[in-house]
This record gives sequence, structure tokens and C-alpha cells, in this order.
Amino acid sequence: IAGITQAPTSQILAAGRRMTLRCTQDMRHNAMYWYRQDLGLGLRLIHYSNTAGTTGKGEVPDGYSVSRANTDDFPLTLASAVPSQTSVYFCASSDSQQPQHFGDGTRLSIL
Amino acid sequence: KNQVEQSPQSLIILEGKNCTLQCNYTVSPFSNLRWYKQDTGRGPVSLTIMTFSENTKSNGRYTATLDADTKQSSLHITASQLSDSASYICVVSPFSGNTGKLIFGQGTTLQVKP
Repeated sequence: IAGITQAPTSQILAAGRRMTLRCTQDMRHNAMYWYRQDLGLGLRLIHYSNTAGTTGKGEVPDGYSVSRANTDDFPLTLASAVPSQTSVYFCASSDSQQPQHFGDGTRLSIL
Repeated sequence: KNQVEQSPQSLIILEGKNCTLQCNYTVSPFSNLRWYKQDTGRGPVSLTIMTFSENTKSNGRYTATLDADTKQSSLHITASQLSDSASYICVVSPFSGNTGKLIFGQGTTLQVKP
């Protein structure tokens, strides 16, 4: 089934550790996005990529980095995790003006 | 500041009943407005997308309306089913194209009871 795969589905991480959240899409969409979803808040954009080889900062980029080496993969890295990064992280992709397709999220807890 | 406000925050209805969810936005410029359904533990799934020139868009039992003059949108659910229990998110895109700079509402949590 075509779509977006995120891994891991959940993770508990000690503060200060490095963590990479993986995201892969098989729809050949040009654009990919990373969001975080926190209770009581709408989804907030962390980073995005309009096409392979390019990335851009979203609304809340601090503490996160991304890379887009190819069309299908868009990993999100937390260089040194802090408790405020406890959240549910969603990866999404889209093509042209079509609605974004979302993965099922990674639930990350930073202790 | 660009904002998307949804109401009510939560709603409980009986199976088979209709309901309407509201979305007010103060986003400028405006390209399109989307409604997403998010089941518990899952990612959001697109229901409808409307440009400023469209007044209504249907997807099965879901009908979205848009009034670009008053900057209001609604999502009407007809003959609700237990599977409609979810969070419904209103999303406004200021720009066309793949900027990813969408403005998300906080969502309305709908619970359909038998």
C-alpha cells in the first residue's frame, strides 16, 4: 500500500542523547515535511523540503535538523534531546497542490 | 498573526445524528482550506480541500463549506457513525505550491456514542 512509513512508532530517550526519526514515502512526492503535535496545539512545522537536495526551516526548527539526499527519505535528527521535545512527530509528503499525506507518527518521550 | 480557530473544542453526539464543526481563520493571503480527520493514534487524513472560489465540497457524508468573505468554514457530518469518532482539523494554506507553510487549527474532538 502506497504511503508514508515512519520509524520507530515510539521511543523513550534519555535527555542529551542523539535520535533520528526515519520517514520514507513511496509516492514519489517532491515535497516532504516534519511536524510535531502537542496537546492543545495544532500541528507545527519543524522543517520541510520542496525537492531532493533542498530543505527549509519551519515554525519550530530549533534543536532539529533534516536532510533530503533522495526523493523518498527525509530523516529528522535531534542532536541532543531535551524534555521539551517530548511530542508526537508526523512526517508528511505532497505533490503540487494536492493535500498532504501523513504518516502515523512517532511518539517520542524524552526523560 | 495568521490563526485558525476551531469550535467547539469537543463534541459528543449520538450515532445517527448530524453535527457541524466550525472554523474561523485570519490567514492572509489565502490559497485553500482543508479539513482533515485524525483517528486516535493515526496521522491526519484529508477529507476535503477548497480554494477561495469554492463554496462547498462533499466527500460522502462529509460536506465542507467556505465563506471567503467572512473567513469561515464548516464541516457538516450527516448520519454520524461510530467510526466518525476522531479529531477534525481545519487547515489553511496561505500560498499555493509546496511551501508546507500550512496553518493548523487545534482540532475538534468528536465522540459518537451508540
